[in-house]
Amino acid sequence: QVQLVESGGGVVQPGRSLRLSCVASGFPFRGYAMHWVRRAPGKGPEWVGVIWADGSNKYYGDSVKGRFTISRDNSKNTVYLQMNSLRAEDTAFYYCARDRWNSAELDYWGQGTLVTVSS
Amino acid sequence: EIVVTQSPATLYVSPGERATLSCRASQSVSSDLAWYQQKPGQAPRLLIYAASTRATGIPARFSGSGSGTEFTLTISSLQSEDFAVYYCQQYNNWPPITFGQGTRLEIK
Repeated sequence: QVQLVESGGGVVQPGRSLRLSCVASGFPFRGYAMHWVRRAPGKGPEWVGVIWADGSNKYYGDSVKGRFTISRDNSKNTVYLQMNSLRAEDTAFYYCARDRWNSAELDYWGQGTLVTVSS
Repeated sequence: EIVVTQSPATLYVSPGERATLSCRASQSVSSDLAWYQQKPGQAPRLLIYAASTRATGIPARFSGSGSGTEFTLTISSLQSEDFAVYYCQQYNNWPPITFGQGTRLEIK
């Protein structure tokens, strides 16, 4: 069955960096675009960004553009989220999600990893 | 950016009754709208995409309707496992993708 497992969350000081990982299994990973979505406490989800199946294209939400970078290693079935210059407002659960058909319909999600930005 | 607004914020419904959740987009998104369910500590689950198509394995009691700016998720006969938070998401001419703030469905 399809599984997505995020890791790498934790407590980090403002201005520092953190890298999240999402390991996929149960489907041909190299054939699917992958998204990152976050949800801050008490708020609705916010789209972070997407990476195409072959890594050729990446797009980001305005609030993270220039600070966050998505990458993937198809040989390891893993997608990454490099987060730099972290701010308090980046505190959230971070989820990776599979794109059903390059359609932005997110058909499988991981359980999420919590990032807390605090001094 | 297209703003998506859900209503109500919290909906109280008795088991076995019908629940109707609403989602409004700030401009037309055609039928590019999805619905998700999330329970505490669990991954979000895709219920509906393209406004009215049920995702794989989703029971027939879940249905979606609407187009343009007004959308509805209907759960025809609530089961105990349906009490959760529901989010809608638009993906017209993405990126970006935007989500609503959610409707919490609670037992009456």
